[in-house]
Amino acid sequence: ILNVEQSPQSLHVQEGDSTNFTCSFPSSNFYALHWYRWETAKSPEALFVMTLNGDEKKKGRISATLNTKEGYSYLYIKGSQPEDSATYLCAFSTYSGAGSYQLTFGKGTKLSVIP
Amino acid sequence: DVKVTQSSRYLVKRTGEKVFLECVQDMDHENMFWYRQDPGLGLRLIYFSYDVKMKEKGDIPEGYSVSREKKERFSLILESASTNQTSMYLCASSQLGVGNQPQHFGDGTRLSIL
Repeated sequence: ILNVEQSPQSLHVQEGDSTNFTCSFPSSNFYALHWYRWETAKSPEALFVMTLNGDEKKKGRISATLNTKEGYSYLYIKGSQPEDSATYLCAFSTYSGAGSYQLTFGKGTKLSVIP
Repeated sequence: DVKVTQSSRYLVKRTGEKVFLECVQDMDHENMFWYRQDPGLGLRLIYFSYDVKMKEKGDIPEGYSVSREKKERFSLILESASTNQTSMYLCASSQLGVGNQPQHFGDGTRLSIL
């Protein structure tokens, strides 16, 4: 079973602060790295899918970078807002055969933004 | 928007019962997945399917089976429910692709086995 590590496990920040967290994954047999946001009582929602080394993606105040050679990705949130409070999951894509891929998830980083 | 619908939000069953969790997606996705989520363990893959009548074991298939008779529907079956299967179960779907297709999740079923 592959190991996908996320740090920190949880994080409390003040409204307006910028923050970032890390996902580390195996650097071999890389296909894609996914980021999801999971708010309480809702379903996980895809933020980014990243495939190329050096990739940077942005969605509003949230951005992500990818380093496939060393096996890590960073998620950044600029000017955190209370609505950013959620668990952020990263997932590493592996080939399962017959043209199908599966995701191995990290345990997530739980972000709480204090108003 | 993709809609993944799970049949129940909350479910309480007794030890030894046969339990069915149903999932339907409306976007003609080839791939469908069942996960369970437990505190401190993250999302773990139970089974997935990349086509009708096809199924593959994930990381924790023991005690579970699945059925995919139609493309839009993927059922998770607990043949004889046990208390250690109390968990949050999430269904997801995605298009076929080189691992770069996002997964779309349902709202989850919180299952309690008494």
